[in-house]
Amino acid sequence: GEKVEQHESTLSVREGDSAVINCTYTDTASSYFPWYKQEAGKSLHFVIDIRSNVDRKQSQRLTVLLDKKAKRFSLHITATQPEDSAIYFCAASPHQGGRALIFGTGTTVSVSP
Amino acid sequence: DAGVTQTPRHEVAEKGQTIILKCEPVSGHNDLFWYRQTKIQGLELLSYFRSKSLMEDGGAFKDRFKAEMLNSSFSTLKIQPTEPKDSAVYLCASSLTGRDTQYFGPGTRLLVL
Repeated sequence: GEKVEQHESTLSVREGDSAVINCTYTDTASSYFPWYKQEAGKSLHFVIDIRSNVDRKQSQRLTVLLDKKAKRFSLHITATQPEDSAIYFCAASPHQGGRALIFGTGTTVSVSP
Repeated sequence: DAGVTQTPRHEVAEKGQTIILKCEPVSGHNDLFWYRQTKIQGLELLSYFRSKSLMEDGGAFKDRFKAEMLNSSFSTLKIQPTEPKDSAVYLCASSLTGRDTQYFGPGTRLLVL
């Protein structure tokens, strides 16, 4: 079955710098790739997603890149702020929708002043 | 708009007990998911319903875990009998359709003694 590997387990950045989290997946049929943020003691909060018909999507300070050939996708956070500190999870849906998500193991992002 | 609600938020059970966790999806959503989150295993699928029909279940959870959708706006997850290894956060999520964003509830934190 599909496996999603999240390459960075922790990421420490200075406020104002950029952060990049990388994920790879195994199933070429995967077509939907969301990202979730989990703050301490809270549940998962959707932040951004990308579908396989595009290779880039931006929402304010967040950009997701998708490289289908390499089966790799990444989350870029620019101008980081302390409130960006959280655990970020990447995920993949192994079909054209209608399937549960397979999650990566999470990246703890710490933004220091 | 009310998001996904889960009750109880915390549950403590003795080994061997039966517990029932409850979830109400976002009104109008057709897909409902149960996931389990632990530090070691990460996020794992327990069950996925579409329009009240079971579409997927996590193979490792079949014997003691049973999720049901009694109607389109209410789901339960029964664990019977509980074991200490079931201690985890149980997350419910819903989406409009299988191709849409999944929104997560606050979770139920279960501790089995």
